[in-house]
Amino acid sequence: SAVISQKPSRDICQRGTSLTIQCQVDSQVTMMFWYRQQPGQSLTLIATANQGSEATYESGFVIDKFPISRPNLTFSTLTVSNMSPEDSSIYLCSVGVGGNEQYFGPGTRLTVT
Amino acid sequence: KQEVTQIPAALSVPEGENLVLNCSFTDSAIYNLQWFRQDPGKGLTSLLLIQSSQREQTSGRLNASLDKSSGRSTLYIAASQPGDSATYLCAVQSGTYKYIFGTGTRLKVLA
Repeated sequence: SAVISQKPSRDICQRGTSLTIQCQVDSQVTMMFWYRQQPGQSLTLIATANQGSEATYESGFVIDKFPISRPNLTFSTLTVSNMSPEDSSIYLCSVGVGGNEQYFGPGTRLTVT
Repeated sequence: KQEVTQIPAALSVPEGENLVLNCSFTDSAIYNLQWFRQDPGKGLTSLLLIQSSQREQTSGRLNASLDKSSGRSTLYIAASQPGDSATYLCAVQSGTYKYIFGTGTRLKVLA
């Protein structure tokens, strides 16, 4: 298993600003993932972050809007740039363990006013 | 394109009932299926993982089954308790680590 922490747990931000979310894992993992959960919706994968390479973004998500860093095997950041109210969501990071099972962090609840 | 659907969307039952949550997926070529629980405003807790070669997995009062050929999985909760109240999500792995999530079932168990 893996224990994942995220910072901040929640934030209220103004339109046009940016927020960087941190994800820390208690063990070294190859692949980390960032998801978005809009209000009342299920989870949508934003991107896959591998250490030492560029993140791979899913359709509808771009690097300019959601830049991701993965400096080592236990840490990643997701930045939500130039925010609008439509970016209000829960952002979750997860890791893949053993080739199959995914574990999730507690999430970051973002409200954009 | 893989699509995952969960029925019912919401469910309210009295304490002690046995219940079944359903998950269906359109592409049977999956690596595995995982059931999660999400409490309001919280992250996801992994409940059960079923490999593509397996038919079912059990953990305590929970039992999950998988029928790849028909594109279905069920999560059975025995003797439900108010603490089981949460949203239950199923997710299928269609590519290396890539999970597609279902729409979720909001469960409320009444004391």
